[in-house]
Amino acid sequence: AQRVTQPEKLLSVFKGAPVELKCNYSYSGSPELFWYVQYSRQRLQLLLRHISRESIKGFTADLNKGETSFHLKKPFAQEEDSAMYYCALYSNYQLIWGAGTKLIIKP
Amino acid sequence: ETGVTQSPTHLIKTRGQQVTLRCSSQSGHNTVSWYQQALGQGPQFIFQYYREEENGRGNFPPRFSGLQFPNYSSELNVNALELDDSALYLCASRPTFDTEAFFGQGTRLTVV
Repeated sequence: AQRVTQPEKLLSVFKGAPVELKCNYSYSGSPELFWYVQYSRQRLQLLLRHISRESIKGFTADLNKGETSFHLKKPFAQEEDSAMYYCALYSNYQLIWGAGTKLIIKP
Repeated sequence: ETGVTQSPTHLIKTRGQQVTLRCSSQSGHNTVSWYQQALGQGPQFIFQYYREEENGRGNFPPRFSGLQFPNYSSELNVNALELDDSALYLCASRPTFDTEAFFGQGTRLTVV
């Protein structure tokens, strides 16, 4: 079955520290993966997608097919990174979502 | 601003009633999907419409139905509301040949 797992419901780090939000997936074939972010009182918005291989707001994510992972990383966290982060997999017209990780950046 | 708008933002209904939620997609996006997001969970796919026809459905019963109109607007209808239908309902639109979804702000439905 196709599934996305985000093992951490909550991640709290200090400003300036590295951040890694974990995402593992289950999918047969070549996956198309996304990270969406939801800032406080705002709508879900795309942060990055693996096919573009971009760095957005200092975040990067590398698809590791061997480990079936798509972890989101940032070397130096900023307070404005505090938000809810969702990993999602596109399959058969739909996005399959993880449960999300709430990231809190402490000053 | 993504251009996807949903109405209403909040709604309270009684068990057994029917509800209609509305979405206005971003201009040029002829594919619209609806998701249900329960508290503390990721969104769950309800269904997708393309050119006014449903072309994909998640694990939701038939009392969840939808419509899509030529003017990029769409509706989600839920009949015989149950307490477990209480959730945030999200509308997402996208261009036909892209998988990036643009979301509305959601409608918070409470069933009492």
